[in-house]
Amino acid sequence: SQQGEEDPQALSIQEGENATMNCSYKTSINNLQWYRQNSGRGLVHLILIRSNEREKHSGRLRVTLDTSKKSSSLLITASRAADTASYFCATGGQKLVFGQGTRLTINP
Amino acid sequence: SAVISQKPSRDICQRGTSLTIQCQVDSQVTMMFWYRQQPGQSLTLIATANQGSEATYESGFVIDKFPISRPNLTFSTLTVSNMSPEDSSIYLCSVEINVRQYFGPGTRLTVL
Repeated sequence: SQQGEEDPQALSIQEGENATMNCSYKTSINNLQWYRQNSGRGLVHLILIRSNEREKHSGRLRVTLDTSKKSSSLLITASRAADTASYFCATGGQKLVFGQGTRLTINP
Repeated sequence: SAVISQKPSRDICQRGTSLTIQCQVDSQVTMMFWYRQQPGQSLTLIATANQGSEATYESGFVIDKFPISRPNLTFSTLTVSNMSPEDSSIYLCSVEINVRQYFGPGTRLTVL
């Protein structure tokens, strides 16, 4: 069964704006991962945040984790057209359980 | 890191037939994972393939429908048997290295 929910399910913004996606999960975790999927192809690993971390940065990506609320957020700053993709959070270690995903569209 | 390839990248098949998907990784790994992504949906784990032992299937997936082979530490196959249109999905393999999971490019299957 799916671990949790992501919201929004779809997000459309203008190029240059920031995009924020949220993920909730149900069970305790050791870490949470975010992935990007372009056009229904393979997944690209973006970032992993451990349960003892609250925030992590990678380039234009910022991920936060609130274990008390069982939630995480992914912020993409200064969005580009190439950021158009689906974004998934996943928990579970080796056997990943994915959220429903957010379809992000960046309009030029 | 890991580089993973899958064959075929896509296929269109007739109902009742079977398709075998290959997954090749560029390093030796203990476990390989197979996921299914139905149209417009998220990914669901089908099974874990261990070298030298039978695959472990998740709830809702059975060996007769999705037989898996794992002949060595760099290769695995997933067969989708007796296909129906409901099997139309993207099938992805993955491996875990240093906590991170790496995914293949996926096989897009359409069953008519």
